[in-house]
Amino acid sequence: KNQVEQSPQSLIILEGKNCTLQCNYTVSPFSNLRWYKQDTGRGPVSLTIMTFSENTKSNGRYTATLDADTKQSSLHITASQLSDSASYICVVTSFSGGYNKLIFGAGTRLAVHP
Amino acid sequence: ETGVTQSPTHLIKTRGQQVTLRCSSQSGHNTVSWYQQALGQGPQFIFQYYREEENGRGNFPPRFSGLQFPNYSSELNVNALELDDSALYLCASSLVGAAINYGYTFGSGTRLTVV
Repeated sequence: KNQVEQSPQSLIILEGKNCTLQCNYTVSPFSNLRWYKQDTGRGPVSLTIMTFSENTKSNGRYTATLDADTKQSSLHITASQLSDSASYICVVTSFSGGYNKLIFGAGTRLAVHP
Repeated sequence: ETGVTQSPTHLIKTRGQQVTLRCSSQSGHNTVSWYQQALGQGPQFIFQYYREEENGRGNFPPRFSGLQFPNYSSELNVNALELDDSALYLCASSLVGAAINYGYTFGSGTRLTVV
């Protein structure tokens, strides 16, 4: 069964600190892995996207890593800001049956406190 | 370039009723997919439309149906609403045929409450 699991479920950090979110997946076939940021009641916004051949991808203070062998990914947030408070969702794309299917993790809810 | 627009933003319906949610695709995109997101959960894939036809479907019953129009906008219809249908419904548009790393643009969603 295609699954994407994220940890921790929730996280509280102080402003200015770094944090790392984890994503493990069992999806086949694998096309790419994306990290999204979702503010409460809003649609997800893309942060990074990586294919199996990419090990790391940065977008400002966000750095994603991918280990296609162990099927693990991480999202590292540097020098956190209050506006980073949101859910971070790991999404794996699988191409099968003639179309791309997005398999979402449940997300990590990050709260950044002053 | 316009993003993805969903309407309405919030909706309250009674169990057993029918509902239609609407989505306007991002300019240049030709594919629309719909997702159901329960509170505190990740989105679950409902179905996808390409060239006005459903070309992929998740584990949702037939009372969830959709349409895609020639301008690539889309509708999600849910019949015989149940309390468990209460969720945030997200629409995402994308471009099929581009390089593999094409992006999905999500709308802000419609919050449906079934009472």
